[in-house]
Amino acid sequence: NAGVTQTPKFQVLKTGQSMTLQCAQDMNHEYMSWYRQDPGMGLRLIHYSVGAGITDQGEVPNGYNVSRSTTEDFPLRLLSAAPSQTSVYFCASSYSQDRLAPEQFFGPGTRLTVL
Amino acid sequence: EDQVTQSPEALRLQEGESSSLNCSYTVSGLRGLFWYRQDPGKGPEFLFTLYSAGEEKEKERLKATLTKKESFLHITAPKPEDSATYLCAVQDIRDDKIIFGKGTRLHILP
Repeated sequence: NAGVTQTPKFQVLKTGQSMTLQCAQDMNHEYMSWYRQDPGMGLRLIHYSVGAGITDQGEVPNGYNVSRSTTEDFPLRLLSAAPSQTSVYFCASSYSQDRLAPEQFFGPGTRLTVL
Repeated sequence: EDQVTQSPEALRLQEGESSSLNCSYTVSGLRGLFWYRQDPGKGPEFLFTLYSAGEEKEKERLKATLTKKESFLHITAPKPEDSATYLCAVQDIRDDKIIFGKGTRLHILP
């Protein structure tokens, strides 16, 4: 199993450009999420999904779009990049089970710089 | 609104000097409270999930405990390899959202 994979590892964008951060998992997990991590701010939830076809907003969703057409993939789209979106982005996944809170498996992260 | 507050922000200990990290939380309904470890440049790595007040879990030199308002991560006789950022998170039973605290940066001096 590859676990949770993220591409690219590094990316530099200019203000106003758009791009998609890719996230895939091969563990058949229903639950997937995107976080951004900035110095001193911890992990902040952007969007999450409890299953294919279902997405919901997290703490900081503005400027980001997601979709979940398959169980395996959960791409994060930046429609018009801004310098405030410079951050490290982590994707995570876990299985879902009633009354339990399973661990999330995290990808290695994408380091994004917006000039 | 769900909230997770961790203290202290940073902690420096001598090797062998035991201490505790705190995580206080506000959530409408707790599905679970998580502890993760994060090394520089890497994604968080799972340590524990706690579900109800009074529950305790242990792993090597780490022990996590839970009350209705906070959780503690106790580190007994730490070693330099325990140096990392420790993150606390809660999952809300109402919407399954998982919210993290800002973390505690732990540095163990040899």
